[in-house]
Amino acid sequence: EADIYQTPRYLVIGTGKKITLECSQTMGHDKMYWYQQDPGMELHLIHYSYGVNSTEKGDLSSESTVSRIRTEHFPLTLESARPSHTSQYLCASSEPSLRVTSYNEQFFGPGTRLTVL
Amino acid sequence: GENVEQHPSTLSVQEGDSAVIKCTYSDSASNYFPWYKQELGKGPQLIIDIRSNVGEKKDQRIAVTLNKTAKHFSLHITETQPEDSAVYFCAAKNRWDAGGTSYGKLTFGQGTILTVHP
Repeated sequence: EADIYQTPRYLVIGTGKKITLECSQTMGHDKMYWYQQDPGMELHLIHYSYGVNSTEKGDLSSESTVSRIRTEHFPLTLESARPSHTSQYLCASSEPSLRVTSYNEQFFGPGTRLTVL
Repeated sequence: GENVEQHPSTLSVQEGDSAVIKCTYSDSASNYFPWYKQELGKGPQLIIDIRSNVGEKKDQRIAVTLNKTAKHFSLHITETQPEDSAVYFCAAKNRWDAGGTSYGKLTFGQGTILTVHP
């Protein structure tokens, strides 16, 4: 089982609140990702990071922001939550790309189910 | 960019039957094709993957086939069991991006809800 953790697992908050979703991994992976999973199941990449101090926008535009100050930690922040942000948020990481044999298999955390009222 | 189409969106089988899920991809440069299983309340877990230098890979009751010419790949589950019930995702990736470095970005299919009836 992958050593990647997300907290909280469930969060119900009111509109306008600032929230931070935590993601940590203990595998030493340099790449980390945030996905948004809608009720239709599709996984949409919203942010990714190559390593410390590296963050990039994903394929789906998101009002959230991320930071990568430490290798093991990749938190996602919403400054002002809205009902449209209600979704499942999944964090993932993949192994170092410098390994010739690596195909960057991604390991997922358990997810955070966010509900904004 | 890559586009991955997955079918069917739902699949219902009787215990012991086989299940097949199919995916097509658009980028001929894609060379890595993983399959993930997502159980209720959990994140996706890698169950099997195949790389473009092989046509088939098997691990106990699950197997994956790849047809590079047709740009499609399939997941086969034999002797299905109720615990196989889950959402299955295919994905595709080019190991190397345009800059010659790999950043591991996967493009996922839309998912298949598999239900195995006892």
